[in-house]
Amino acid sequence: DQQVKQNSPSLSVQEGRISILNCDYTNSMFDYFLWYKKYPAEGPTFLISISSIKDKNEDGRFTVFLNKSAKHLSLHIVPSQPGDSAVYFCAASPPMKLIFGQGTELSVKP
Amino acid sequence: NAGVMQNPRHLVRRRGQEARLRCSPMKGHSHVYWYRQLPEEGLKFMVYLQKENIIDESGMPKERFSAEFPKEGPSILRIQQVVRGDSAAYFCASSPQTDPNSPLHFGNGTRLTVT
Repeated sequence: DQQVKQNSPSLSVQEGRISILNCDYTNSMFDYFLWYKKYPAEGPTFLISISSIKDKNEDGRFTVFLNKSAKHLSLHIVPSQPGDSAVYFCAASPPMKLIFGQGTELSVKP
Repeated sequence: NAGVMQNPRHLVRRRGQEARLRCSPMKGHSHVYWYRQLPEEGLKFMVYLQKENIIDESGMPKERFSAEFPKEGPSILRIQQVVRGDSAAYFCASSPQTDPNSPLHFGNGTRLTVT
C-alpha cells in the first residue's frame, strides 16, 4: 500500500516561473513531512519540512504547504532555476523512519 | 551528503553470490537507516539500527538479507545468494538522536547490479 503518493512523475517549468510539486498521503496519524531533492548518482538531500501543527513553512525560494483535511502537501519553488532540476521526494515521518513517495522529476528549462 | 560514506559505489555480483554494503554514518551519529530504491520507484525503508541493536527491521525481506551496526566499524547490509531482483540502489542514512523530526542525512548509495 502506497501511503505517500506523488502522482506526477515529471514536471517541466520555464526558468523564472513557479514550480509546484504535489504529494498526497493516506495516514492521518502522520505528523511531520519533509521534502528531499535528489540529483542522479547522489543521495537525497533534505530541503524543507513541515509539522502538522502548521500549514505553511517557507525557506527562501522554497515553501511547503500542508492541507491536513485533504491529506495533501505541496512544494512551491519560485522563481525556478535550472539548478533546481532534480527528482523531488516527499516523505512522511512516523517516528524513526521515513515513508517516501515515488518522486517527481522536475526539469527547469532556461 | 559527503558526511555519510557508503562503499562501494558500484557492486556487480553474479546470481548466488553474496553482496556486502558498508555505511559509515556522519561523525557523532549513532542511528543508521538503510533504504532501497528499485528502478523507477521511491525509496523504501528497510531497517533502522543503533549501535549493536536492530530497532526496526520491518522493511527487510525475511530471507537472505541481514544488517548489523557493530560497536566499532561501519554498518553492514548483507545480501546472501543474490538474485536479479536485488539489483537496486541501496542508500544509508544517519541521524544524531532519537528526535523523529531530525532530518536524515543520506549517503550517495551503492548501486548493486546482479548479473
